[in-house]
Amino acid sequence: KAGVTQTPRYLIKTRGQQVTLSCSPISGHRSVSWYQQTPGQGLQFLFEYFSETQRNKGNFPGRFSGRQFSNSRSEMNVSTLELGDSALYLCASSLGRGEQFFGPGTRLTVL
Amino acid sequence: GNSVTQMEGPVTLSEEAFLTINCTYTATGYPSLFWYVQYPGEGLQLLLKATKADDKGSNKGFEATYRKETTSFHLEKGSVQVSDSAVYFCALRLEGSNYKLTFGKGTLLTVNP
Repeated sequence: KAGVTQTPRYLIKTRGQQVTLSCSPISGHRSVSWYQQTPGQGLQFLFEYFSETQRNKGNFPGRFSGRQFSNSRSEMNVSTLELGDSALYLCASSLGRGEQFFGPGTRLTVL
Repeated sequence: GNSVTQMEGPVTLSEEAFLTINCTYTATGYPSLFWYVQYPGEGLQLLLKATKADDKGSNKGFEATYRKETTSFHLEKGSVQVSDSAVYFCALRLEGSNYKLTFGKGTLLTVNP
């Protein structure tokens, strides 16, 4: 069974631009969660989607948004990028409220 | 609020040494507790979990016991290997309305041959 895939794996943007990251969950998984990992703040929860609906949201500004499609694939978008948005963005999928399986992450660098 | 505190790293051990990584938590309800491991360049992998007090999670020689009285979930392994070198994260999840994982800062473990 294929694991969680995230694209792209690496991304370089400049301040003020916007970016879209993609996550394909394990087949059959309907829940997708996003986390931001930075050296200073560690791992922080961004949001969770289930059956195309945002079920939970962390404490991030409105520049961070996401969505989920009918095939459970999810995207997150960050607008007006800031230097502090440089991070590893991790996606995790699960069957409802079961164990979360993480993808390899997308490394975003903002210059 | 909910939080997880784990021992600062890095931790450097020789092969076959005993490992303990301390983890304590603060939670408003009754959380499930987890240890995740992150190898270089990879995402997180669930190492073990415990869902209620006194439960012991175990996997690949690692163990952790859910201690409600001390709000702790310390990770232990009797004999580490070089291949155990990674970053270890302790995390909690409150069941019910909030499904998110709350993580500790992570502890980098390096095992030397």
